Amino acid sequence: ELKVEQNPLFLSMQEGKNYTIYCNYSTTSDRLYWYRQDPGKSLESLFVLLSNGAVKQEGRLMASLDTKARLSTLHITAAVHDLSATYFCAVDVEYGNKLVFGAGTILRVKS
Amino acid sequence: NAGVTQTPKFQVLKTGQSMTLQCAQDMNHEYMSWYRQDPGMGLRLIHYSVGAGITDQGEVPNGYNVSRSTTEDFPLRLLSAAPSQTSVYFCASSYSGGGRSYEQYFGPGTRLTVT
Repeated sequence: ELKVEQNPLFLSMQEGKNYTIYCNYSTTSDRLYWYRQDPGKSLESLFVLLSNGAVKQEGRLMASLDTKARLSTLHITAAVHDLSATYFCAVDVEYGNKLVFGAGTILRVKS
Repeated sequence: NAGVTQTPKFQVLKTGQSMTLQCAQDMNHEYMSWYRQDPGMGLRLIHYSVGAGITDQGEVPNGYNVSRSTTEDFPLRLLSAAPSQTSVYFCASSYSGGGRSYEQYFGPGTRLTVT
């Protein structure tokens, strides 16, 4: 059974600081997704990582994928309050049909 | 395009009642899925479909039925609601091909409470 583990599950950080969220998974896959969810809202796609070594950046967020280590990271640079949300990683185990999600990381950026 | 739409947005059911959550997409995506989201557990896959007439079970299928008669629609039926089915339900669709292959697009969700 595939397990996807995110850590930390809760992150409180000061504006301007850097931090990394980790996503480990237990089976072979080369497709991993990061989503953002605001309270009471749906999931918004942030990054699609489709191969080993993939790196994507958007604004203050950068995601990477190491399929050999079964690890993805979401790095936050110079955090701002607007980044406060819950971030999920999800591993695709059947070509778009089956996503297995991590439990999510609640990020709070304090000004 | 409206994307993925879900109705209703909110629903309260009594134990034992049945109902159908509606999901539709206008992007001609072949894949559609239903997830439930419970606090602290991320999203879990209930059922999915790879095309009209084809469905399969996900991680937590018990108590739910699906069918897919058209590409656009993928309703989720609760047969006999139980308090354990209190959750937020998300429908998603995805497609193959292109740089964002298999990326799932999520609907706005249905918040269901079973009393």
